[in-house]
This record gives sequence, C-alpha cells and structure tokens, in this order.
Amino acid sequence: DIQMTQSPSSLSASVGARVTITCRASQDISNALAWYQLKSKKAPKLLLYGASRLGSGVPSRFSGSGSGTDYTLTISSLQPEDFATYYCQQYYITPLTFGGGTKVEIK
Amino acid sequence: QLQLQESGPGLVKPSETLSLTCTVSGGSFSSRSYYWGWIRQPPGKGLEWIGSIYYSGNTYHNPSLKSRVTISIDTSKNQFSLKVISVTAADTAVYYCARGANVGYCSGGICYNYNWFDPWGQGTLVTVSS
Repeated sequence: DIQMTQSPSSLSASVGARVTITCRASQDISNALAWYQLKSKKAPKLLLYGASRLGSGVPSRFSGSGSGTDYTLTISSLQPEDFATYYCQQYYITPLTFGGGTKVEIK
Repeated sequence: QLQLQESGPGLVKPSETLSLTCTVSGGSFSSRSYYWGWIRQPPGKGLEWIGSIYYSGNTYHNPSLKSRVTISIDTSKNQFSLKVISVTAADTAVYYCARGANVGYCSGGICYNYNWFDPWGQGTLVTVSS
C-alpha cells in the first residue's frame, strides 16, 4: 500500500496568514492526489484533485502543487472559515490511502 | 445539487453486522462517469477507504477489510449500501458515503488513477458496543 505522510500534524496561524501543508507519498503517484477539508459534523469538502485542480466552488486562496512523491497545499490568506483539518489522498492505485491529517487552529 | 445521506443504526453489538445505506438525490445515479464509495474515520484517527461500487455492480474493496465487507447498489432506489460482518470495537467510526469521481482503469482486482471523492455525505457515527 502507498503510505501518505502529512506534515505538520497541527499548526496554529492567524487570520490572513499564509499556510502550507505537505504530503509525501511512499512512491511516485504521478499527481494523482486530492486534498479535503474536514469540519466536525459537516460533510467533508473536496478542495483539489490532480494535485493542483480546484474543486467546484473552492476559493482561489487554496492552491496545490507538487510532483512525484511530494505535494503541497497552500492557503494564501487564512480565513476564519478555514480553521479545520486537512487530508491528502492518493488515487494512483488501490487501496486508496489518506494522509494522517493536519489540524489548522487559530493562533 | 447532488446530495448524499447515510442512514442506519448508530449502535451495533460486537460480532454482529453493521449495515448502512446511502441515499443519493439531486443528480444522476447511474452515470458511467462515477463510482460510489464508503470511507470511515475512527474517533481521533484518520480516514480509511472501505470500498467503491460502480453502477453496474462492480466493486473494489480495501484488502484490509475485504473479507468482512459487502457493498451493493440499487439503482432503482438511488441507494448503495455497506455491510460489515463480525464487527469489533475497532469498527467504531464515523462512516461517510461519497461519489467517486474518475473511473480509472481496473484489472486483476487493482484500480489505477481511481477515485477522488466529491461530494460527501455528512457522515454517521456507528458505535460497536454491548
């Protein structure tokens, strides 16, 4: 199985800050990577797929980059509604696997 | 707007069967462009893909659960379902259903360039306890 390692596991940031979350795959996943936002008691939301393609209705302050085994999710200017937990997921090969999550908290 | 809603018992006894249904509304359920998937999240832990099913009934499961999991689909009701047999406390989790975008290519029980998930249901907590 492909292991997905996210870092950091948590971070504190202020509104307006630029935030970067990293996801590393245990093998090349050829940009087959999605990012999700999870909030308690709410439906998880797709942010990006194909490493850098924005999901429908996702604000442009979210962006993704990377290739091979290393990928990044960036929030250019953190908004109050962005405080949540973020997960990456590889869909290069089954079994589909997720990173361990990054909790973004208010500083 | 496509919506998914999980339903089923919130409490299951150890060794019994967990059964959940996902009802899809507001969009095409029999499209050849999508799968329908189940994902779970144990308390305080990360996400785990359980499996996905195509409108034709073809299913692909996580090998870590495959022997205990059955996923089925009823296109006449716009529903797909999950059964997990012989549950233990380790099966306690929030269970999500979701549409799997991207069909990919499947051969020999393995799929490549497979699903990302959008949209998701809100999730339902299933607790395994006597």
